[in-house]
Amino acid sequence: QSALTQPPSASGSPGQSVTISCTGTSSDVGGYNYVSWYQQHPGKAPKLMIYEVSKRPSGVPDRFSGSKSGNTASLTVSGLQAEDEADYYCSSYAGSNNLHVVFGGGTKLTVL
Amino acid sequence: QVQLQESGPGLVKPSETLSLTCAVSGYSISSGYYWGWIRQPPGKGLEWIGSIYHSGSTYYNPSLKSRVTISVDTSKNQFSLKLSSVTAADTAVYYCASLRVTTSSIDYWGQGTLVTVSS
Repeated sequence: QSALTQPPSASGSPGQSVTISCTGTSSDVGGYNYVSWYQQHPGKAPKLMIYEVSKRPSGVPDRFSGSKSGNTASLTVSGLQAEDEADYYCSSYAGSNNLHVVFGGGTKLTVL
Repeated sequence: QVQLQESGPGLVKPSETLSLTCAVSGYSISSGYYWGWIRQPPGKGLEWIGSIYHSGSTYYNPSLKSRVTISVDTSKNQFSLKLSSVTAADTAVYYCASLRVTTSSIDYWGQGTLVTVSS
């Protein structure tokens, strides 16, 4: 059982927007603005897409955006493209006295 | 650019100890990251195993803490994972990674190495 809850799947047509949720608790997502999102294509290592809730690393398209409300964080992919089809994982810092890093179970994004 | 490369046996027998090393290049391991291990069983999600700072401070996943040891060798710019008493449930792709100290976001990942536990 994953510490953070994500929907197992999400889908959208090219050009559309899709939002993936990530629900935790006040001990992780709700307690810190340290939520990250990772994209993983089959057979590849995950890639950081969003950090500190809404910041994008250099090179990540601005079609990817993040937000948070309470204990739930969200990743929005706008203007869906075929190459966005992948698994997406959220993670959160959970405090130095507890689980340092917690992951969500992952969401398979399908571009229809 | 930080580069990480895992190495170690791809097959481990049940009840034995899994040992992996992560070589870091392009960055001094004594600088400002935590260094960690994450695993992914086939077809499943990511699980954080533990992290270490160059000073030797460690954080372990409570569910694995009794079996995990992570160590760092600053002279070789590498860090290592030992997981004892392995079972088939420990079969996974093991990734080494760099984690930001304040936020635990994972900036850089190794390519991953599949470790199979089987007799």
